[in-house]
Amino acid sequence: AQSVTQPDIHITVSEGASLELRCNYSYGATPYLFWYVQSPGQGLQLLLKYFSGDTLVQGIKGFEAEFKRSQSSFNLRKPSVHWSDAAEYFCAVYGQNFVFGPGTRLSVLP
Amino acid sequence: GAGVSQSPSNKVTEKGKDVELRCDPISGHTALYWYRQSLGQGLEFLIYFQGNSAPDKSGLPSDRFSAERTGGSVSTLTIQRTQQEDSAVYLCASSIGLAGGRYQETQYFGPGTRLLVL
Repeated sequence: AQSVTQPDIHITVSEGASLELRCNYSYGATPYLFWYVQSPGQGLQLLLKYFSGDTLVQGIKGFEAEFKRSQSSFNLRKPSVHWSDAAEYFCAVYGQNFVFGPGTRLSVLP
Repeated sequence: GAGVSQSPSNKVTEKGKDVELRCDPISGHTALYWYRQSLGQGLEFLIYFQGNSAPDKSGLPSDRFSAERTGGSVSTLTIQRTQQEDSAVYLCASSIGLAGGRYQETQYFGPGTRLLVL
């Protein structure tokens, strides 16, 4: 069975600081990997996805993620966080099924 | 339409009643997905439509849940004999539906229907 973990339930960073949100998965092969963002009062929006090829994936809003097969990880990064990035972030995996992680809530301090 | 729309935005019902949730996908999108987001379970996939057929219903939690899609457009998710644990936000998404593997496409999500079962 496949699973997705996001070890950090809540992260707080200062505006302008760098950000890394962790995502680990369990699956027998290389799955499709996704990061979604859900802003307050808004729907889910796809930030980026990885299917194959270059393990560093660029997404929208200045986000990137790196797939590391040896660590079964797909961590999301942003070099400089903006106040508007405060939201809930979900990692998702598609192997046999489409499974979301529990989410990480990001708070941004002014 | 410009985006995925869902109705109603909020629904309060009594335990045991049936509810219908509606999703209008983006015009021209043949793939449609239903998800549920609840406090206890996080985000869960429910069902996937390609056109009017549902090749993947694996996420429907019980036989009280059903969904249909007509005309390759609007979809209705029906929950019969609602239970308190059905309380959640029900999200709908659509994608173009051209790729061989559905998750290769970007899914566009609607605002959700917040269901509260008393």
